[in-house]
Parts: sequence; C-alpha cells; structure tokens
Amino acid sequence: ETGVTQTPRHLVMGMTNKKSLKCEQHLGHNAMYWYKQSAKKPLELMFVYNFKEQTENNSVPSRFSPECPNSSHLFLHLHTLQPEDSALYLCASSQEGGVIYNEQFFGPGTRLTVL
Amino acid sequence: AQSVSQHNHHVILSEAASLELGCNYSYGGTVNLFWYVQYPGQHLQLLLKYFSGDPLVKGIKGFEAEFIKSKFSFNLRKPSVQWSDTAEYFCAVRRTFGDGTTLTVKP
Repeated sequence: ETGVTQTPRHLVMGMTNKKSLKCEQHLGHNAMYWYKQSAKKPLELMFVYNFKEQTENNSVPSRFSPECPNSSHLFLHLHTLQPEDSALYLCASSQEGGVIYNEQFFGPGTRLTVL
Repeated sequence: AQSVSQHNHHVILSEAASLELGCNYSYGGTVNLFWYVQYPGQHLQLLLKYFSGDPLVKGIKGFEAEFIKSKFSFNLRKPSVQWSDTAEYFCAVRRTFGDGTTLTVKP
C-alpha cells in the first residue's frame, strides 16, 4: 500500500450505531488530519494531530471522537450521529515543521450515510 | 480567521480554451497557498503551491498560478485546457479550503 488509505470506503449506519473510520498513511509523515466534505460546502477541517498529539479541534461535536495511536494511524469513532453528518470524510497527512504548512496528501475518503 | 473564496462554482469550456479560476483569501500572516485538484473517482491531489519567492508558480499538467499579495489573490490559469482537465479544483490557504470550482471541458 502506498500513500494514504482509508477504510471502509462506504458506510451506512443508523443514528444509534457506533462505528469507526480508519486511516493509515505510508508516507512517514508526522501530522494527520480529518476533514468533512459535504455537498456544496468547503472542506471542513475537523481535527489535527501532530506526533500523535491533538493540536486542533475545530468545534466538532463530541459524537465524533478521534484517536491517533501512532503517527501512521488515525481513527474517527462515531456514535449517535445525525442525518446531517452524512458526508465524505477525508483523511490527510503531511510533514510539518516550523512555520510552513506543507502540502497534504489525501486518502480516497469514506462515504458515510446516516439513516 | 482565515477564509478562502472561489468565485466560480462551475465553469464549462471547450477544449483548447484558456482557463482562469479565481481565488481570494483573507489572512494576515504568512501565506502558504495551494491549488488541489480532484479528478472524477480519484483522490484530492496537489496541483501547485506557493510559499515564497517568484509569485508565478508552475504546477503539473501545464497549470500555473500567480500570487498577487496586494489583491490577496492566487488565481489558477492554463492557456489551453483538455478534456482530461475535467475535475473539481480547490484553492487553499494553509489548511482552509475554498468551496471548489467544478470544471467541465467539452471535447
């Protein structure tokens, strides 16, 4: 595997379910991100992890819970979601250092549908 | 707070036409500017970037962008588009993205 991989690619869940999205990067980067991409809206940055530590949480509801056990893996745990949470969830990674915000490498995304 | 504005939501061109996609941003600090592209069925990927130096930057597949500091702009250009350029294009400042422009190139 190369680049950034995400599983599952598609997920349908009810509002009472608990599920997790997984992301893995094979690029040796030190930062990982979760974005939400909804129709007709900009990509919304949800969480940022640097060296496994969460450095940004952009007012994301607590029904989304990220986990970063190491620099290569990132999870997004989902519980009691709402239909408006249906979207494409993108994972990305980059090599960060200093004041430069380097380019990000994106995974293919998980298409989430909440019924 | 940073914001990025892309003026064109959907652009339709014929092959060989010239392309310019507008991008304006509001951010007062050091800008790291990007254009990303998402071809149908593919990952979002980098087209080009600007950090410093020559304000005219060249990217892959014949794309270029010009950083104009006084106008807070970073417009994307290509002199002659191809059908294979059909995609969605996103401008970004640091980690803030615009809402994208869908480009359709007719053969």
